[in-house]
Amino acid sequence: KQEVTQIPAALSVPEGENLVLNCSFTDSAIYNLQWFRQDPGKGLTSLLLIQSSQREQTSGRLNASLDKSSGRSTLYIAASQPGDSATYLCAVPSGGYQKVTFGIGTKLQVIP
Amino acid sequence: GAVVSQHPSWVICKSGTSVKIECRSLDFQATTMFWYRQFPKQSLMLMATSNEGSKATYEQGVEKDKFLINHASLTLSTLTVTSAHPEDSSFYICSAPPRGTAGEAFFGQGTRLTVV
Repeated sequence: KQEVTQIPAALSVPEGENLVLNCSFTDSAIYNLQWFRQDPGKGLTSLLLIQSSQREQTSGRLNASLDKSSGRSTLYIAASQPGDSATYLCAVPSGGYQKVTFGIGTKLQVIP
Repeated sequence: GAVVSQHPSWVICKSGTSVKIECRSLDFQATTMFWYRQFPKQSLMLMATSNEGSKATYEQGVEKDKFLINHASLTLSTLTVTSAHPEDSSFYICSAPPRGTAGEAFFGQGTRLTVV
């Protein structure tokens, strides 16, 4: 059974800092990994999707890496802004066909 | 990306009543949709897989008679919480995977259910 762990559970940083969020998963036989953002009381916003054949993906100030063999992914946020404050979720497929297992998330607060 | 619409975004209901939540794929067909729920300070957990034209499959521990799922068309799945109780208060969210998207999951906006 796939298990996903995210560290840290919460993070508070001053505006402008670069930061790294970590995700680990137990079953490395995945075909992709996805990072989401969840604002309080809201749905999920897809940030980045990394296929198993890729090592990283970039979108603006976000960069996600994937090391499938070690069961790890990181989400790097450059020059953080208060608008980045949210919970960041890591998700990997489990049991096939695009149903996913989520980590509990990292709650990020960027202080102006 | 593909659009998944979920309605309502929030609902408050009395204990003992039933609530229906709709999940629609707006610009693609989905033979399969997934329903998740999230209790406070916990991760999103898969509840069930909704299959168009056939019965849903439920994850262990999810009562199929309480959480009725109907996937009557290729663009609509509904989740009905029957005889809701306060412990059913949660955030429910659906996902629909379009074909040809390399496995990317698209989610609805979610529904915040509060049972009083």
